[in-house]
Amino acid sequence: DIQMTQSPSSLSAAVGDRVTITCRASQSISSYLNWYQQKPGKAPKLLIYGASSLQSGVPSRFSGSGSGTDFTLTINSLQPEDFAIYYCQQSYSTPPYAFGQGTKLEIK
Amino acid sequence: QVQVVESGGGVVQPGGSLRLSCAASGFTFSSYGMHWVRQPPGKGLEWVAVIWNDGSTKYYEDSVKGRFTISRDNFKNTLYLQMNSLRVEDTAVYYCARLSGGSCTSTSCYGDWFDPWGQGTLVTVSS
Repeated sequence: DIQMTQSPSSLSAAVGDRVTITCRASQSISSYLNWYQQKPGKAPKLLIYGASSLQSGVPSRFSGSGSGTDFTLTINSLQPEDFAIYYCQQSYSTPPYAFGQGTKLEIK
Repeated sequence: QVQVVESGGGVVQPGGSLRLSCAASGFTFSSYGMHWVRQPPGKGLEWVAVIWNDGSTKYYEDSVKGRFTISRDNFKNTLYLQMNSLRVEDTAVYYCARLSGGSCTSTSCYGDWFDPWGQGTLVTVSS
């Protein structure tokens, strides 16, 4: 089964900063990588699918890139509402479906 | 609007059973596969089970195989998760989510994603 590893597990940043979160797959998954945002007490929300396609309604400060085994989620000009936990998820030859362990983005 | 709403969570003793429901609205339920995903308290997301749009194919995460059963009623626009032989480690918020995008054959999918998600229902297994 494909394993997903995110780094870092947590990071602190200030409003206005640019942050990057990395996700690595245990084998090549082409561009079949999705990103989700989860705020405390809420359900996850789809941000990006297919490694780089922005879900409708998601602000353009979010972007995704990568292919093969290495992927990144970038948030430009952090806003207060962006502080949350971010998960990657592979969708290459599923099931089973694998999520990364999550990256907690905290306010500095 | 497109939404899914879970219900049926609660407190149950180890070894007990519980059935979760997920009511869908705003889309043609019978055209989409559906998932259950869970999240133990303070931990990450764990995929549990998926069912194809017509109910013909079902898959489970290894730790729930033989104990959990996913099913659906396309006339009632409702997804179910029957959970038997519950263990303390099954304690989690359980989410249903639509299998969206991508391409699926009779046995697998690729390029798909989870959207939308319900608000979740808490299952607590404790004596």
